[in-house]
Amino acid sequence: EAGVAQSPRYKIIEKRQSVAFWCNPISGHATLYWYQQILGQGPKLLIQFQNNGVVDDSQLPKDRFSAERLKGVDSTLKIQPAKLEDSAVYLCASSPTTGGVEKLFFGSGTQLSVL
Amino acid sequence: QKEVEQDPGPLSVPEGAIVSLNCTYSNSAFQYFMWYRQYSRKGPELLMYTYSSGNKEDGRFTAQVDKSSKYISLFIRDSQPSDSATYLCAPNTGNQFYFGTGTSLTVIP
Repeated sequence: EAGVAQSPRYKIIEKRQSVAFWCNPISGHATLYWYQQILGQGPKLLIQFQNNGVVDDSQLPKDRFSAERLKGVDSTLKIQPAKLEDSAVYLCASSPTTGGVEKLFFGSGTQLSVL
Repeated sequence: QKEVEQDPGPLSVPEGAIVSLNCTYSNSAFQYFMWYRQYSRKGPELLMYTYSSGNKEDGRFTAQVDKSSKYISLFIRDSQPSDSATYLCAPNTGNQFYFGTGTSLTVIP
């Protein structure tokens, strides 16, 4: 079974530029998550989709971050404009269940450096 | 108060040692207690989980939860160099996860 695919693996941009990350979840997984992991910290949820609807985006900085999930499959996360404090690894995860215990399957992440 | 507190380490042990990794949490609504392992430059992967209080064993790994004291533990027996990674505790309500900061473990051959 193919895992969660993310691209690019690395991205370096200057502050105030825009950037986009792409995620392809495991086939058939209804739930998709975007997490931000700052160095030395645990992953922090940015947004959760179930199929193509948003379940939780309470911690998404909506003035600069946006995300969409196309046809309930692939997803993109965009930052515009980027700030220095956005330097982090952006992890995409998917889950096969829609109730009970959720088991998250993570991609390898996109490491973003904002200079 | 943070939802989850975890000692970030780093922790360095010789091969074959018993390792104890711990977390505390504050939310009584947590029902599932997961441990994720994260290798360098990789995403976290689910190691094991328990439901409610008690112990669960999986090979060299034992997860333990004490809901009365809100304390979560992961024990690794006969630690191996391949266990070198960051271990994240992730208590959750079933569909809302809260990750600890992770404990960095190095097992020295």
